[in-house]
Amino acid sequence: DVVLTQTPSTLSATIGQSVSISCRSSQSLLDSAGNTYLYWYLQRPGQSPQLLIYLVSNLGSGVPNRFSGSGSGTDFTLKISGVEAEDLGVYYCMQATHAPNTFGAGTKLELK
Amino acid sequence: QVTLKESGPGILQPSQTLSLTCTFSGFSLSTYGMGVGWIRQPSGKGLEWLANIWWDDDKYYNPSLKNRLTISKDTSNNQAFLKITNVDTADTATYYCARILFVNWFAYWGQGTLVTVSS
Repeated sequence: DVVLTQTPSTLSATIGQSVSISCRSSQSLLDSAGNTYLYWYLQRPGQSPQLLIYLVSNLGSGVPNRFSGSGSGTDFTLKISGVEAEDLGVYYCMQATHAPNTFGAGTKLELK
Repeated sequence: QVTLKESGPGILQPSQTLSLTCTFSGFSLSTYGMGVGWIRQPSGKGLEWLANIWWDDDKYYNPSLKNRLTISKDTSNNQAFLKITNVDTADTATYYCARILFVNWFAYWGQGTLVTVSS
């Protein structure tokens, strides 16, 4: 199975600070058709996960543009440009290029 | 408006079969490119993908659960189902269903249903 390693596991930030989360894959996530099925989700406390980013860098519907995704191959990054209070929770990356789909272990974003 | 809602037994005993239902609205599982997936999350832990079913009845399973999983759908009643046989305490988790449309994986999630396996 593809292993997704997220760093850091915990991130402390102040409101307005910009932060980045890394997701590294044990295999390239580029498929033979040229697609990279790498996703980012946020799970707020007590809530279901919500999609933030699909296919590495595409913003999900209704997601604020302070969120951005980048990367290729095995290295991916989620950036939040100006953390807001509603951004607190656990961030997960997920890959759907190789079966079975796998999730990273999560990065908890908390207030400093 | 897309909504999904999971339902399950709440509590069951080891060795029993877990039956979960995902009832959805705002889309049809007969639409080209549409799918529903099941994901679970033990309390305080991360997410684990279990299975997907697609509009054309293609099915994919997480091999880590070996042959314990069966996914199915009832397109006319807008429902998807997941069965897990021979459960044990390690299957205690919140179970989610979520929608897939083409490359947009899990853009909509249900609220989750907590399943506890205990003797």
